[in-house]
Amino acid sequence: AQKITQTQPGMFVQEKEAVTLDCTYDTSDPSYGLFWYKQPSSGEMIFLIYQGSYDQQNATEGRYSLNFQKARKSANLVISASQLGDSAMYFCAMRETGGSYIPTFGRGTSLIVHP
Amino acid sequence: NAGVTQTPKFRVLKTGQSMTLLCAQDMNHEYMYWYRQDPGMGLRLIHYSVGEGTTAKGEVPDGYNVSRLKKQNFLLGLESAAPSQTSVYFCASSSGGVGYEQYFGPGTRLTVT
Repeated sequence: AQKITQTQPGMFVQEKEAVTLDCTYDTSDPSYGLFWYKQPSSGEMIFLIYQGSYDQQNATEGRYSLNFQKARKSANLVISASQLGDSAMYFCAMRETGGSYIPTFGRGTSLIVHP
Repeated sequence: NAGVTQTPKFRVLKTGQSMTLLCAQDMNHEYMYWYRQDPGMGLRLIHYSVGEGTTAKGEVPDGYNVSRLKKQNFLLGLESAAPSQTSVYFCASSSGGVGYEQYFGPGTRLTVT
């Protein structure tokens, strides 16, 4: 079974609108961390945001926020006020204490921002 | 502070040839990783290391070997390249623990003909 599931292969959004990229995870470990990375067409992997399993509040970093619903095991990325430069692949990842902290990645979601 | 560097950036090999990809990090990270990225498959872990002198198999280790003789370097070897190993290879490093993000190198695009 996949530990990280990203069900949206591709998403489209209009510039300046908000978009939510889905991520669900599977773990029985009480201590884990969830990450989102961005990969633009140039190829580099860029860390965006982190959420810890014990964090009470949803993480935010500028226009990025993480909608963390622990009971549903979901960690959706919300990008507000989309910009053309947000067009990229987005990957969700998890690190678990029981997994020796080795990250597991989802297959990614391709986001295209239309002008 | 260069972060994570990879050498080379591009390479074309003939089937059966061998090569070594070099990854170096200057952040004193304990953990280092090698991934391959293929269209629609996301990042798949080939091998990883949790400290100098240690290595372990990831999800897709067949056809690859690794070594971590120095903490800052993680080498990925292909002994006998096959067309199925045509891919983009990423190296990454991180601290241990659930709360630390990975730092990635720029990638190596390998084509095996």
